Amino acid sequence: DTAVSQTPKYLVTQMGNDKSIKCEQNLGHDTMYWYKQDSKKFLKIMFSYNNKELIINETVPNRFSPKSPDKAHLNLHINSLELGDSAVYFCASSPQNGELFFGEGSRLTVL
Amino acid sequence: AQSVTQLDSQVPVFEEAPVELRCNYSSSVSVYLFWYVQYPNQGLQLLLKYLSGSTLVKGINGFEAEFNKSQTSFHLRKPSVHISDTAEYFCAVVKTSYDKVIFGPGTSLSVIP
Repeated sequence: DTAVSQTPKYLVTQMGNDKSIKCEQNLGHDTMYWYKQDSKKFLKIMFSYNNKELIINETVPNRFSPKSPDKAHLNLHINSLELGDSAVYFCASSPQNGELFFGEGSRLTVL
Repeated sequence: AQSVTQLDSQVPVFEEAPVELRCNYSSSVSVYLFWYVQYPNQGLQLLLKYLSGSTLVKGINGFEAEFNKSQTSFHLRKPSVHISDTAEYFCAVVKTSYDKVIFGPGTSLSVIP
């Protein structure tokens, strides 16, 4: 039974398109995150939600819009995709001691 | 603001040899510290964590780390590595008052048969 699941695992799309990634956790955690991992493996936090409320927004372009319909779900919608958006996007949840439980990642390729 | 440094971007080591992956952090407040491992094409999973108590922390797969407050370090060690330990290793820090988790740039460990 997967603790943090993301879909889809792979996305390949053209510049200018819009895409969404969905994330669900069954761990009962209040806090969820989106991280971006670039081609050099560097992990950068994008957003954090605590019980459906946005608490961290790390100067991400407003083409990226997170949505949390409930505390078990955190989705990421990206408008007008650019080449530089190509990366692996990780969803994570946390019991608020800093320990993160990650999904398997969603690899986005923008052509 | 906190930051994390992992001085070695790549560490090659022979199978059954010991390894140490270095992590230093900077923070003006108390922190929690973590090591995560990422196998190829997978998400990250927790190896071990320091929240409080004993400064020597043992984790999964035979790894351990020692928290050194005076040197602001949290180095990861394993006495004998296996081929299966080949992966990317990330050190991470978060303020104890709870804030965003900051990751180091990662160290790629390659175990040579």
